[in-house]
Amino acid sequence: KQEVTQIPAALSVPEGENLVLNCSFTDSAIYNLQWFRQDPGKGLTSLLLIQSSQREQTSGRLNASLDKSSGRSTLYIAASQPGDSATYLCAGGGGADGLTFGKGTHLIIQP
Amino acid sequence: SAVISQKPSRDICQRGTSLTIQCQVDSQVTMMFWYRQQPGQSLTLIATANQGSEATYESGFVIDKFPISRPNLTFSTLTVSNMSPEDSSIYLCSVRGGTTYEQYFGPGTRLTVT
Repeated sequence: KQEVTQIPAALSVPEGENLVLNCSFTDSAIYNLQWFRQDPGKGLTSLLLIQSSQREQTSGRLNASLDKSSGRSTLYIAASQPGDSATYLCAGGGGADGLTFGKGTHLIIQP
Repeated sequence: SAVISQKPSRDICQRGTSLTIQCQVDSQVTMMFWYRQQPGQSLTLIATANQGSEATYESGFVIDKFPISRPNLTFSTLTVSNMSPEDSSIYLCSVRGGTTYEQYFGPGTRLTVT
């Protein structure tokens, strides 16, 4: 059974800093890995999807990597802004199955 | 991407009653999923709902407690039956994209059971 762990659980950094969020998973037969952000009282917004054959994906200031052999993924946020404050969730997918989520990293960007 | 709406957005219910949550998608999708997010926790998959077949439930979730309907390719309902305070959670539906299997989520239904 897939298990997903996210470190750190919480992070507070000044505006403008680059930062890395970490995600690890136990089953390397992962089909894809997806990063989401969740704002208080709202649903999930998909940020990036990395398929198992890919090593990384980029969208604007966000870059996500996937290393299946080590069971790790990272989300890199460049030049952080207060609007980036949210909970970031990592989730591993088994293809036709649903997603297995980590507990998330609660990120605060200080103005 | 898909646009997903859920009704109700929130509700407060009494112990022992049932609530049906609706999920509507703006395009036809084969697979829909229902998740639960308990307070302070991450999301847990309840079941997978395919049109024209019985829903597939994850370990720890049973059909009598969480019956699901999937009458067509754009709509699904999840019922939370005989509710207790432990059922207080956010319930979210999601759909899977075509070839990439990317998942998109609805805004969620915040349920409080008193």
